[in-house]
Amino acid sequence: QKEVEQNSGPLSVPEGAIASLNCTYSDRGSQSFFWYRQYSGKSPELIMFIYSNGDKEDGRFTAQLNKASQYVSLLIRDSQPSDSATYLCAVKSGSARQLTFGSGTQLTVLP
Amino acid sequence: EPEVTQTPSHQVTQMGQEVILRCVPISNHLYFYWYRQILGQKVEFLVSFYNNEISEKSEIFDDQFSVERPDGSNFTLKIRSTKLEDSAMYFCASRTGMNTEAFFGQGTRLTVV
Repeated sequence: QKEVEQNSGPLSVPEGAIASLNCTYSDRGSQSFFWYRQYSGKSPELIMFIYSNGDKEDGRFTAQLNKASQYVSLLIRDSQPSDSATYLCAVKSGSARQLTFGSGTQLTVLP
Repeated sequence: EPEVTQTPSHQVTQMGQEVILRCVPISNHLYFYWYRQILGQKVEFLVSFYNNEISEKSEIFDDQFSVERPDGSNFTLKIRSTKLEDSAMYFCASRTGMNTEAFFGQGTRLTVV
């Protein structure tokens, strides 16, 4: 069974700080990794994707991938109260390339 | 910006009734998915659909569930005889190709009473 694990939180950081979200996955053959943001009662919204080992930066967001350790992370710099949401880690797998999601980490950015 | 559209946004149904959840994927997308999220739990894959047939399904997608693309634009999920445990948010997603990103609709909240 392919698993994606995340710390459920809640994670609280002060406004302006760096929020660090972590994820591990069980399927060593996984190639594509995604971070989604989900506000309560809403659908997942794609934040970033990463395919290669190392860092990928997009604005205030940096995704980090370490395939040897089966570890993906998301850093949010200069956190804002509007970043408060649940962050879902997802791994693309299966013959239909469907997404396997972690249970999400609830982030609260305190003003 | 094109988006995946789902209707209705909220459906309340009695246990044992049939429901049909509707999705209009982005027009040039070829791969379609249904996911569900029970309140407080993780998003779970139900089924994928490509070239007018199911390409993969999870163990959740039993004989009570079916999907179809009746007219080349809509993509529907039917639950034949709803159970209380079917209460969840159901998300439709679509993508252009196997290695592209999936876009999610806003979801349908299904409440079975």
